[in-house]
Amino acid sequence: EAGVAQSPRYKIIEKRQSVAFWCNPISGHATLYWYQQILGQGPKLLIQFQNNGVVDDSQLPKDRFSAERLKGVDSTLKIQPAKLEDSAVYLCASSLDTISGTQEETQYFGPGTRLLVL
Amino acid sequence: DAKTTQPPSMDCAEGRAANLPCNHSTISGNEYVYWYRQIHSQGPQYIIHGLKNNETNEMASLIITEDRKSSTLILPHATLRDTAVYYCIVTRRSGGYQKVTFGTGTKLQVIP
Repeated sequence: EAGVAQSPRYKIIEKRQSVAFWCNPISGHATLYWYQQILGQGPKLLIQFQNNGVVDDSQLPKDRFSAERLKGVDSTLKIQPAKLEDSAVYLCASSLDTISGTQEETQYFGPGTRLLVL
Repeated sequence: DAKTTQPPSMDCAEGRAANLPCNHSTISGNEYVYWYRQIHSQGPQYIIHGLKNNETNEMASLIITEDRKSSTLILPHATLRDTAVYYCIVTRRSGGYQKVTFGTGTKLQVIP
């Protein structure tokens, strides 16, 4: 079974530039998550999709970050314009469905995209 | 949100059991305890989860106290490849969907 795919793996940009990350979840997984992980910290949820609808974007800085999941499959996360503090690893995860306590709630993570903003 | 408290770091000798504690004293009756680990430069990996009974799988065992206020993840025979950051998470339901909040975890160093 193929895992969660993310690209690019690394990206270096200058502040005020824009950048986009792509995620392809595990086939059949309804729920998709984007996390931001700053060095030395745990992952912080930015946005959660159920199929192609947003169920939680409370921690997404909406003035500069946007995300979409067209057709309920793959997803893109965009930052425009980037700031120095956006330097982090951006993780995508997916789960089969959010049924409490079953294996289907297990999140499967991609390798992440490491962003450096100069 | 039910918060978790974990020691920031632990050492374990290779071949010995690694016991990683987690405090979740504000956990609610329908909230599950999940454990993930993150090996350097990789995404987090699921290990195990439970509600109130002890659980075991091919990777680890999870011991949850009777009052559910704390749990322990046990890696029975730690290897160098188990060196990682281990996250204890309490999942909650909100609006019909699972909510997950990661803390800073425990950095486990397995020593040869």
